[in-house]
Amino acid sequence: SAVISQKPSRDICQRGTSLTIQCQVDSQVTMMFWYRQQPGQSLTLIATANQGSEATYESGFVIDKFPISRPNLTFSTLTVSNMSPEDSSIYLCSVGFGSSGNTIYFGEGSWLTVV
Amino acid sequence: KQEVTQIPAALSVPEGENLVLNCSFTDSAIYNLQWFRQDPGKGLTSLLLIQSSQREQTSGRLNASLDKSSGRSTLYIAASQPGDSATYLCAVIGNDMRFGAGTRLTVKP
Repeated sequence: SAVISQKPSRDICQRGTSLTIQCQVDSQVTMMFWYRQQPGQSLTLIATANQGSEATYESGFVIDKFPISRPNLTFSTLTVSNMSPEDSSIYLCSVGFGSSGNTIYFGEGSWLTVV
Repeated sequence: KQEVTQIPAALSVPEGENLVLNCSFTDSAIYNLQWFRQDPGKGLTSLLLIQSSQREQTSGRLNASLDKSSGRSTLYIAASQPGDSATYLCAVIGNDMRFGAGTRLTVKP
């Protein structure tokens, strides 16, 4: 299994600012994913962040807005840049774990409100 | 690109009823399928994981089945309880992980 810690757990941010969310895993994992869940909606994949390669972004998400770092096998960051109220969401980090790398665990999420 | 659909979007049942939640996916080349529960204001809880080589998994009152060839999974909840009220999400794991939109379940006392 894997234990995932996300920081911050909650934050209220000013419009136009940027915030970096950290995701720390207690085991080495190859696959890490960042998701967003806007109010009343399901989870949307932002990007896949595998160590040693550039993050792969889903349609509608760009690196300038959501830069991701993956410096090692236990850590990743997601930055939400130049925030607007539409960025108010839960941001979730998840990892693929296990022999096939495909048992998925989630962090508790980072709840961002942009005012 | 994998697409995951969950039916129904919402379901309301009286306590004690057995129920089935459905999940369908378009690409059968998957590793696993996982069912999650999400309570309001909280994160995700993994309920059941089915490997692509398996056909079902059981945990307590929950039973999940997988038919890869037809691109379908079901989550069966027996003897539902008010505490089962939550949104249930299915996730299909291939080269990435895709979620359905969820089924919002309400179990009335």
